[in-house]
Amino acid sequence: DTGVSQDPRHKITKRGQNVTFRCDPISEHNRLYWYRQTLGQGPEFLTYFQNEAQLEKSRLLSDRFSAERPKGSFSTLEIQRTEQGDSAMYLCASSFIGAGNTEAFFGQGTRLTVV
Amino acid sequence: KNEVEQSPQNLTAQEGEFITINCSYSVGISALHWLQQHPGGGIVSLFMLSSGKKKHGRLIATINIQEKHSSLHITASHPRDSAVYICAVGNTDKLIFGTGTRLQVFP
Repeated sequence: DTGVSQDPRHKITKRGQNVTFRCDPISEHNRLYWYRQTLGQGPEFLTYFQNEAQLEKSRLLSDRFSAERPKGSFSTLEIQRTEQGDSAMYLCASSFIGAGNTEAFFGQGTRLTVV
Repeated sequence: KNEVEQSPQNLTAQEGEFITINCSYSVGISALHWLQQHPGGGIVSLFMLSSGKKKHGRLIATINIQEKHSSLHITASHPRDSAVYICAVGNTDKLIFGTGTRLQVFP
């Protein structure tokens, strides 16, 4: 297993376009998280899944954002009608939640620029 | 007030210096994480701790649960340690992140 992978690494899009990002977690991990990081700030929570169930969504996740994890493996994050304020690094992380605390492993992120 | 506060925000050091980065939090947690982020954006987990102290190479992390405070120490710092160091706290679900400490180590 090569860790958490995200695709694409970089995306430049025009305002108003839709974009979709993909995250492939570590294969045995049951939790998958999406975070957003703007310049000079720490990451902020967007949403997370346990297996295929989306358990929590942040208020940051407007109705233009949707995330899925259809088979409890990879996940997609779609942003519709992108705005300049959506420009950020989108980070995915995965972990295994079982009997105790486990580390979260992060992907390299997808850097979105909306022009 | 942020739930996770880090200090300092920026730190410069000469190679070989001992470095300390501090993290204070105001929420109940089950674990605290120290993470490293390089300019490319990817985040690497350095430590996860819920009590006491952990050491890995030149890195040491401590946590005081009663005082809700953690420190990350780097001994014999090196230019390759230059990165943003982020403290994050978590319970059974999501992590809450500090804004990070930008460290630059000069030769």
